[in-house]
Amino acid sequence: DPKIIQKPKYLVAVTGSEKILICEQYLGHNAMYWYRQSAKKPLEFMFSYSYQKLMDNQTASSRFQPQSSKKNHLDLQITALKPDDSATYFCASSRDRNTEVFFGKGTRLTVV
Amino acid sequence: DAKTTQPDSMESTEGETVHLPCSHATISGNEYIYWYRQVPLQGPEYVTHGLQQNTTNSMAFLAIASDRKSSTLILPHVSLRDAAVYHCILRVQQGTGSKLSFGKGAKLTVSP
Repeated sequence: DPKIIQKPKYLVAVTGSEKILICEQYLGHNAMYWYRQSAKKPLEFMFSYSYQKLMDNQTASSRFQPQSSKKNHLDLQITALKPDDSATYFCASSRDRNTEVFFGKGTRLTVV
Repeated sequence: DAKTTQPDSMESTEGETVHLPCSHATISGNEYIYWYRQVPLQGPEYVTHGLQQNTTNSMAFLAIASDRKSSTLILPHVSLRDAAVYHCILRVQQGTGSKLSFGKGAKLTVSP
């Protein structure tokens, strides 16, 4: 019974298109994150949110925009998709910004 | 610019106790030692963390050297399900230090 739900599990997109990756957590956590893992590379931190406010952004490109409509939601909008954006995107959450972080199962994005 | 050093891989057999070493010679006083593990196609799984004292939970025992420059994750009676890449990560647990910086980790192989 997963407590961090990511949708969709798999996603194929055309170069130049826009997609939204969905993340909801039912752990009652106040902090949420996005990480990215490209093929055979370490997990890479992208964003952190606390109480729906952006706390840290390590993403160089403005094409990646987190969206938090509710405290337990942190979606990731990606515009003008490129093949290099192909990766598995993991959503994560923690009770607060400085407690254990728990990860979702990921959305595997392929840009063709 | 890795802050932790782990072996690339380790091998074990089911039922054995495994000792996974991690070196962090430049650790700061406010950095916690976190361990995560990841299997292919899944998000990282929290294992344990500690600051100075040894810690234990249902998954593992974390032994931290008295000078905090190294630590060892001890997995008792490993099973095939413990096969994963284990990540030793330093994390500042205050201010904006909520980011987890993953490296290559140590791949643990468990044989029947």
